[in-house]
Amino acid sequence: EDKVVQSPLSLVVHEGDTVTLNCSYEVTNFRSLLWYKQEKKAPTFLFMLTSSGIEKKSGRLSSILDKKELFSILNITATQTGDSAIYLCAVEALSSGTYKYIFGTGTRLKVLA
Amino acid sequence: DAGVIQSPRHEVTEMGQEVTLRCKPISGHNSLFWYRQTMMRGLELLIYFNNNVPIDDSGMPEDRFSAKMPNASFSTLKIQPSEPRDSAVYFCASSFAFNRSPLHFGNGTRLTVT
Repeated sequence: EDKVVQSPLSLVVHEGDTVTLNCSYEVTNFRSLLWYKQEKKAPTFLFMLTSSGIEKKSGRLSSILDKKELFSILNITATQTGDSAIYLCAVEALSSGTYKYIFGTGTRLKVLA
Repeated sequence: DAGVIQSPRHEVTEMGQEVTLRCKPISGHNSLFWYRQTMMRGLELLIYFNNNVPIDDSGMPEDRFSAKMPNASFSTLKIQPSEPRDSAVYFCASSFAFNRSPLHFGNGTRLTVT
């Protein structure tokens, strides 16, 4: 059965700290791994990773994928209170001739002022 | 371009009533997904469609749940009869398969069954 596991489940840090969020997966026919940020409403897209070892970066956020060890990390440097959210990892996998997205349960990050 | 549109935003109903959630995907997207989110279980995939055809409904919890996609711009998720344990946020999302584009979510429907 396809599975995506995120850790830690929750995290509390202070502004300025650096955090690393983890995502491991076991799926057949992997296509891509995606990171989303969810605040009060819908998850919003952060990154899509398809190749191992190539870092994607956006401001203070960065992410990398290891397709051999089947995991990805999301780093946030110099955290701010606005980074408080649930961070979701999803894996896109081929299934029945099309693609589906399997999500982990998320990491709930709280950044204290 | 409008994003994924879901209605209603909130639904409060009594146990035993029928509930219908609606979704309009992004124009041009050919895959549509229904998810349910709870604190305990996170985002669970209920069913997904490709080119309006249901591909996998193995995530639908019970026969009380059904989903349709009569055309490329509209889908419904129906619960009949509803139960308190169905209370959750239901998200619809769409993407363009075969193009490595990310999944785009609607703002969700918060369902409360009393």
